[in-house]
Amino acid sequence: EIVVTQTPLSLSVTPGQPASISCRSSQSLLHSDGHIYLYWYLQKPGQPPQLLIYEASNRFSGVPDRFSGSGSGTDFTLKISRVEAEDVGVYHCMQNVQFTSFGQGTRLEIK
Amino acid sequence: EVLLVESGGGLVQPGGSLRLSCVGSGYSISNYWMFWVRQAPGKRLEWVATIKQDGSEKYYVDSVKGRFIVSRDNARNSLYLQMDSLRVEDTARYYCLSALTFWGRGALVTVSS
Repeated sequence: EIVVTQTPLSLSVTPGQPASISCRSSQSLLHSDGHIYLYWYLQKPGQPPQLLIYEASNRFSGVPDRFSGSGSGTDFTLKISRVEAEDVGVYHCMQNVQFTSFGQGTRLEIK
Repeated sequence: EVLLVESGGGLVQPGGSLRLSCVGSGYSISNYWMFWVRQAPGKRLEWVATIKQDGSEKYYVDSVKGRFIVSRDNARNSLYLQMDSLRVEDTARYYCLSALTFWGRGALVTVSS
């Protein structure tokens, strides 16, 4: 079983400031097909998760370009260049290289 | 607009059964792997089951193996989760997820005596 660990579990950010969330997996998420099966989702209050980033660094359609994903192997990062009020919620990373598993979630609030 | 709508949740006693459904609209699920994911109160998201496009491959988290069965009917654009021998720890909101991209709003399952 691949264990996925997110840090921090919560962060409070002033609007306009950057934010960064780390996601580490217990095994490499690089598949033999060359794809990295790491995804980032945002779950806004009272809503289901919504896809932000797929395959570690690809922004999903309609996702603002202030969101970016990076990383390889076992270490990944989601960055928000300038946090906005609408970015509050819980951020989840998920691996799908070997079955599927999620990180604990990172709650982002606005200062 | 892509919509996935779950139904079939509710309150059930331990040992009971429920069948969840997920219907897609504005979107054909037939070309995609489908997933069930659950979220218990205050807990992280937990993958439950996966099914291939044609139903030929199915995978389950260990805690539900032998109790839950995932299936699909592409002609009805629908995904199902048959849940038997339910336990208190199965209490959660159950989401269907398509192609790791689109989520339904979830169905609440409460297992309690």
